[in-house]
Amino acid sequence: EIVLTQSPDTLSLSPGQRATLSCRASQSVGSALAWYQQKPGQAPRLLIYGASDRATGIPGRFSGSGSGTDFTLTINSLESEDFAIYFCQQHSDWPRTFGQGTNVEIK
Amino acid sequence: QVQLQASGPGLVKPSQTLSLTCNVSGGSISSGGFFWNWIRQRPGKGLEYIGYIFDSGSTYYKPSLRSRVSISADTSKNQFSLNMRSLSAADTAVYYCARGGLQALDYWGLGVLVTVSS
Repeated sequence: EIVLTQSPDTLSLSPGQRATLSCRASQSVGSALAWYQQKPGQAPRLLIYGASDRATGIPGRFSGSGSGTDFTLTINSLESEDFAIYFCQQHSDWPRTFGQGTNVEIK
Repeated sequence: QVQLQASGPGLVKPSQTLSLTCNVSGGSISSGGFFWNWIRQRPGKGLEYIGYIFDSGSTYYKPSLRSRVSISADTSKNQFSLNMRSLSAADTAVYYCARGGLQALDYWGLGVLVTVSS
């Protein structure tokens, strides 16, 4: 199965700053990469699919890029509600697999 | 708006079978060409994909879980279910149901915490 490795494990930032999260796949997934946000006690929420397409209702400060094995989620100008854990997931092959998560915390 | 809600026992004894149900509203599980999925999250860990049911019949299971898992659907109730046999403490997790296409998982239900303990 495809292994996804996220970095860093934790990102400490202040509101207004830019967050850059990385996801690397053990083999090419093309552009079949999604990003989710998860807050404590809640289900994950889809942010990005197809590497760069924003899901319905997701603010424009969230953007995704990359292809093949290297992907990036960028959050421009962090807002208080953006502090959460972010997971990447490949939707290229079965079984679907997820990265271990990046915790974006308030500095 | 599609909504999913998972339900089931919060406590299961080791070696027993877990049965969870996901009730879907706002859309039919038998139309639209969607995959209806189960995912779990063990305490302090990441997300693990379990499997799906598609078109109320075709199923797929993660290979490492295939011998213990089955997913079925009841179209009359617009729900799908997960059965997992021979539970151990390692199966303690929050279990989520979610809708997906060939792309990502776009609607998720609130998870159900299942603890395996005697």
